[in-house]
Amino acid sequence: AQSVTQLGSHVSVSEGALVLLRCNYSSSVPPYLFWYVQYPNQGLQLLLKYTSAATLVKGINGFEAEFKKSETSFHLTKPSAHMSDAAEYFCAVSVSGSQGNLIFGKGTKLSVKP
Amino acid sequence: DGGITQSPKYLFRKEGQNVTLSCEQNLNHDAMYWYRQDPGQGLRLIYYSQIVNDFQKGDIAEGYSVSREKKESFPLTVTSAQKNPTAFYLCASSGTGGVRNTIYFGEGSWLTVV
Repeated sequence: AQSVTQLGSHVSVSEGALVLLRCNYSSSVPPYLFWYVQYPNQGLQLLLKYTSAATLVKGINGFEAEFKKSETSFHLTKPSAHMSDAAEYFCAVSVSGSQGNLIFGKGTKLSVKP
Repeated sequence: DGGITQSPKYLFRKEGQNVTLSCEQNLNHDAMYWYRQDPGQGLRLIYYSQIVNDFQKGDIAEGYSVSREKKESFPLTVTSAQKNPTAFYLCASSGTGGVRNTIYFGEGSWLTVV
């Protein structure tokens, strides 16, 4: 069965610093991977997704993620954090045969210090 | 504008009462989903529906019920059998095409038991 592990429930960075949010997945078949962002009291918004095309995926708001099969990872990065990036980020996995259902990690809350 | 509308945003339930959360989408999506979000727990799938008049249980369906009489509507009833219903509930939808499709989320509904 597939699963997702997000390392670090809370990450704090300074404005302008690199953002790195870690996600590792477990799947016996090729996965499809997603990163979502959630602002307080709101729904989830898709940042980017990997669907077996290019391994480096660029998303909205300057975020990108790299699929590394050998490491079973899909870490999210942004070169320079902005105050507006403060939110909770969720990594999710879906596999063929799951009818499109997503399995979510427990989330990482990103804080950005001025 | 196209999107997913959840109502109400905030709902209070007394012990022993059933309550229904509304979810409407005008994206012409075939698939709809209900997730429950608890702090530090990520999102967990309650029910999903791939087509009108058909739905399947997710990981935590006990104490919940759904219907899918119309393509655009997927209401969730939280019954008195759900022992710990206080949570943030998210409705979502996606088009046909299986796991590659992006799942879009509504703004969520807060349910509190009083």
